[in-house]
Amino acid sequence: DSGVTQTPKHLITATGQRVTLRCSPRSGDLSVYWYQQSLDQGLQFLIQYYNGEERAKGNILERFSAQQFPDLHSELNLSSLELGDSALYFCASSTRQGNTEAFFGQGTRLTVV
Amino acid sequence: LAKTTQPISMDSYEGQEVNITCSHNNIATNDYITWYQQFPSQGPRFIIQGYKTKVTNEVASLFIPADRKSSTLSLPRVSLSDTAVYYCLVGAPDSNYQLIWGAGTKLIIKP
Repeated sequence: DSGVTQTPKHLITATGQRVTLRCSPRSGDLSVYWYQQSLDQGLQFLIQYYNGEERAKGNILERFSAQQFPDLHSELNLSSLELGDSALYFCASSTRQGNTEAFFGQGTRLTVV
Repeated sequence: LAKTTQPISMDSYEGQEVNITCSHNNIATNDYITWYQQFPSQGPRFIIQGYKTKVTNEVASLFIPADRKSSTLSLPRVSLSDTAVYYCLVGAPDSNYQLIWGAGTKLIIKP
């Protein structure tokens, strides 16, 4: 158990819909990262927050947004969903930003039908 | 950004030592080298991190030559459960730029 909790574990929704993925980081970790992993692909970095502030942005679509709340949990909002958005979405947390030991959650498997 | 190059796949047998090499020619002075392991449909798990020479923990060893342009992850006496994808990443702690996750090395351990 990494200490990072992601909910829900599975999500099936229709095209055009909007979903929210939630992440609770390890206790004390200030950084939260979101990644997308499509079938048999590497991890694509989406966005990072550090202590409530956006710190880095990757190839995140305009239809996607995220935020980190004062209690440090984070939510990733995906809207106007397309079939190609079907993927595993991982959240990770770490004590610092940058290249440091990050702890990953078990992921949310999103299926868009 | 320091890009890494790893073999796409490797095979080995139970009980053998496995060495996976990662090339990072453009590594910067402040960069560290980090390795993660990922099983199917699970989040990656941190294995080891180092800056230079050799680092060892209960799971693996990491060898980094003096020029730091490459590194080798060594897994002693592998078992079937070590079958996974292994990622090598390079970057600096407290940096604002993000790590690039390549395709990793798919390691298959045979009985």
